[in-house]
This record gives sequence, C-alpha cells and structure tokens, in this order.
Amino acid sequence: EDQVTQSPEALRLQEGESSSLNCSYTVSGLRGLFWYRQDPGKGPEFLFTLYSAGEEKEKERLKATLTKKESFLHITAPKPEDSATYLCAVKPPPGGYNKLIFGAGTRLAVHP
Amino acid sequence: EAGVTQSPTHLIKTRGQQATLRCSPISGHTSVYWYQQALGLGLQFLLWYDEGEERNRGNFPPRFSGRQFPNYSSELNVNALELEDSALYLCASTLSSGDGLHFGNGTRLTVT
Repeated sequence: EDQVTQSPEALRLQEGESSSLNCSYTVSGLRGLFWYRQDPGKGPEFLFTLYSAGEEKEKERLKATLTKKESFLHITAPKPEDSATYLCAVKPPPGGYNKLIFGAGTRLAVHP
Repeated sequence: EAGVTQSPTHLIKTRGQQATLRCSPISGHTSVYWYQQALGLGLQFLLWYDEGEERNRGNFPPRFSGRQFPNYSSELNVNALELEDSALYLCASTLSSGDGLHFGNGTRLTVT
C-alpha cells in the first residue's frame, strides 16, 4: 500500500537553528511530490512541487530536495514566523490529484 | 491574483440539518477538489469536479454531494449532519495540467 510518512511529528527550534524535515514515501512511479505550509485554522499554502530525484527548489529560507524514497525540507536560520505545520503529499500513478496521499505533517515551532 | 475563496468561514449546525459550503477557484482554474480535515486526521479527499462534471469521489457516504457551476465555482452539500462531520472543509483548485493544488482557507463546520 502506498504510504507517506513525515518525521518528526513535532520539532522545536531556536531562532536561527537550521534543521530538516523528512517525508518518506513508498510510492513507485511518483508523479509529483508537494510541500505545503499550514497555519492553524487556515488552508494549506502551496510551497513546492518536485518531480524527479535530484531536483531541488528554494524559496527564502526553505529548500526542498527529492530522492527516490524521500524528500527533505531544509529550513535555514528559521524565524518565529516560520512556525507552522508542514505537509507533504505525493501523487502516485496514474497521476490524478484525486489520488494525492498526504502525510500527517510536522508541527514546527521556532522560538526567539 | 485572487486565491481560492470559500464561504462561510464558520458554520454551526445541529445534528440532522443540512450544510452548504461554497468555493470559488482561482481564475482560469477549471478543476475543483473538496477535502475534509478532521481534528487529528490528515486531509481526506471528498470530491473532484472538472468542467461541471463530478469526476471522482472519495470514501464518503452519499449524503456528501456537490456540484460545479458554469463559472467553475462549486458547492458542497452535506445532508443529515452527524457529529463526526465536524471538521475543516477545504476546497482546492488547479488547472487540468496544473502544477499543484491551491487551497482556500476552508470552512470550519461544527455540528452540535
């Protein structure tokens, strides 16, 4: 069965303390891996799409990378406003968004 | 560019009543997806509409239904509300060949 597992479940960082969030998946023939940020009571905000192993995307303090079995979201010198839940989702074959598999998310708290 | 908009923001109903939730996709997006995010659970796919037609539904009972209008906006109806229907209902849109789902901020439905 296709699965997406995110770790850790929760992460507490000091401001400026860089770290990485992990998203591992068992899907074969990945049609896309997506990262989202979700603030409490809000909808997920689209961050990145990755399609193939070795691909990297960056946005401000965030950098997403992809291998054949997992993706990492690296957060460099985080600030308190980066506190949120980060979700990853994978699109298995044949590729419809109705088949997206979401992970349970990593709750990130950045303290000043 | 305006994002996905949903209304109402909050909705309180009693068990047995009906709820109607509305969604306007990003301009130019023709596909609309509905998701349920219950407390402590991940995003669960509900319904997918494209070009006015229901394309797929998730593992939810028939009392969850909806439609898509000619302007691509969409409506989700939940009949015979049950307490466990309390959740954040999220609408997302994408182009048919789109690069990721873009979510609205959701409707928080509370059933008492």
